[in-house]
Amino acid sequence: RKEVEQDPGPFNVPEGATVAFNCTYSNSASQSFFWYRQDCRKEPKLLMSVYSSGNEDGRFTAQLNRASQYISLLIRDSKLSDSATYLCVVNIAYGNKLVFGAGTILRVKS
Amino acid sequence: DAGVTQSPTHLIKTRGQQVTLRCSPKSGHDTVSWYQQALGQGPQFIFQYYEEEERQRGNFPDRFSGHQFPNYSSELNVNALLLGDSALYLCASSLISGQDLNEQFFGPGTRLTVL
Repeated sequence: RKEVEQDPGPFNVPEGATVAFNCTYSNSASQSFFWYRQDCRKEPKLLMSVYSSGNEDGRFTAQLNRASQYISLLIRDSKLSDSATYLCVVNIAYGNKLVFGAGTILRVKS
Repeated sequence: DAGVTQSPTHLIKTRGQQVTLRCSPKSGHDTVSWYQQALGQGPQFIFQYYEEEERQRGNFPDRFSGHQFPNYSSELNVNALLLGDSALYLCASSLISGQDLNEQFFGPGTRLTVL
């Protein structure tokens, strides 16, 4: 079983749509959680950290359920510029290595 | 403020050859991690360097080795290249004593093709 699992997609949505991505992780000792965004042939960039209380950054909302070992990302009012691969990431130990999911492809179309 | 830089950007090698990739961390960062990203996959952790020592290693063979220099820059060496080593190699830097130890900044990567 993979340490971090994501639906690979692609998710094809029209502009203005709301889209949700889900991710599960297998190691209950995971301590930190993130969503990274990766554009085609570019490096991953941190989109947002994920906290148990849930957190929001503009059109993006992230949720963490430690009991179910489940992470989600909600994008509201999708823009063409949101088209990218979204990587679910966990950090098993404090200050240590990041474990990435395979990514979910989002395509926003006009 | 310079971000993470990597060189070269692209590289083509043949099977059995050796390769060295280089990374300069973001200014003020002291920790460098290396990842391998195959096409269609997420990055896979290779190893991490701090204080010129390897702190942790992922599930990669001994053909993959590294080094960190006193100025915190780092090299990744891969010996006896295989076709399966073709990938984007990403370097990420972080500050181990910083408030948010987990935020890692990635360089643009080196795309290695093994023929």
